Amino acid sequence: GAVVSQHPSWVICKSGTSVKIECRSLDFQATTMFWYRQFPKQSLMLMATSNEGSKATYEQGVEKDKFLINHASLTLSTLTVTSAHPEDSSFYICSARETVSRNQPQHFGDGTRLSIL
Amino acid sequence: GNSVTQMEGPVTLSEEAFLTINCTYTATGYPSLFWYVQYPGEGLQLLLKATKADDKGSNKGFEATYRKETTSFHLEKGSVQVSDSAVYFCALDEAPGSRLTFGEGTQLTVNP
Repeated sequence: GAVVSQHPSWVICKSGTSVKIECRSLDFQATTMFWYRQFPKQSLMLMATSNEGSKATYEQGVEKDKFLINHASLTLSTLTVTSAHPEDSSFYICSARETVSRNQPQHFGDGTRLSIL
Repeated sequence: GNSVTQMEGPVTLSEEAFLTINCTYTATGYPSLFWYVQYPGEGLQLLLKATKADDKGSNKGFEATYRKETTSFHLEKGSVQVSDSAVYFCALDEAPGSRLTFGEGTQLTVNP
């Protein structure tokens, strides 16, 4: 089945540093990937839609300069949290959808738990 | 706009009990409907899906039927196991490749 790999699974870093999270589709091509943020005991909040070879589409209220998204190939999208602060601590999840055919569901990575000290 | 409403949780059941988690939706088009499951500390896994009215999705003993007349997609399982303890999310997308709209999630705990 379709597998999405997300790395790292857990990161702890100091306030002010930048953190890069990778999302890879291992056995399929994905023109579109999605980045979500999830707070404890809450649902997923879509942050942005990542499109291969073009700029990401951000949801209202999400800072583009804070959360940099790059989708340079059909199997890799990255989310960089720049100058991270404690309020950026959260669980970040990516998903990818196979390009090939209609009605394909999104496949999710296992998430990245980000803790900013 | 689109929206998904799930029954409030948490839900606590004994092993082998019958499970129903209600899900209703609002959409302007003809969405596909999904149930995803999230185990602690993990991402989401697709549990089942249905792409048109009257379709029944099923997997691992779970079932859900796409009811257009009641705009519902209730999740059911006849006999739950402790290993089914997780958070369940109902979701929809209006077009292939489009964004997912999620419900609030329902925490299920199954006790032995």
